[in-house]
Amino acid sequence: AQKVTQAQTEISVVEKEDVTLDCVYETRDTTYYLFWYKQPPSGELVFLIRRNSFDEQNEISGRYSWNFQKSTSSFNFTITASQVVDSAVYFCALSASYNNNDMRFGAGTRLTVKP
Amino acid sequence: NAGVTQTPKFRVLKTGQSMTLLCAQDMNHEYMYWYRQDPGMGLRLIHYSVGEGTTAKGEVPDGYNVSRLKKQNFLLGLESAAPSQTSVYFCASSAQGYEQYFGPGTRLTVT
Repeated sequence: AQKVTQAQTEISVVEKEDVTLDCVYETRDTTYYLFWYKQPPSGELVFLIRRNSFDEQNEISGRYSWNFQKSTSSFNFTITASQVVDSAVYFCALSASYNNNDMRFGAGTRLTVKP
Repeated sequence: NAGVTQTPKFRVLKTGQSMTLLCAQDMNHEYMYWYRQDPGMGLRLIHYSVGEGTTAKGEVPDGYNVSRLKKQNFLLGLESAAPSQTSVYFCASSAQGYEQYFGPGTRLTVT
């Protein structure tokens, strides 16, 4: 069975601070896909990144970066120089299926960035 | 390009009533999904479809039915609503092997 754990329920930071959101996953599959989604206060879900299990390179996109470590089954997300607009709930998700029909989401981490 | 749309945005039902949620996508995606989001539990997959005319059960399918008569539409039905089905429902679609795009959600309350 697959499982995603986001141990941080809520995080509060002050603007311009760096913040890391943790994601730990469990799967017996050797091929799988990891995702991060953002859910701002408006409620929609915004796709941030998809990473397959064979690509352990870290990725950077502007102020966002992701650290994938198979050895610790983690896929952590760092926001550098946080901004108020980063305030949202962030979900990590895992799928071992090419068509995502077994997607498992973590419970989410609520990030509040104060001015 | 509207992406993924959901109708209605809000609904209040009484226990035992039925309703259908409509999801439409204009991205020509083969795959469509229905999720429910409950506080502290993330999203859970209810049903999904890998193409027109096909549907399959997800993680929490009990109490729901779905239909995919047209490629662009995916309907979620509740035949006899229960308070435990109070939730926010999200529809999503994807091309094969790619990320899912989500609709804006439907907030359903069953009293």
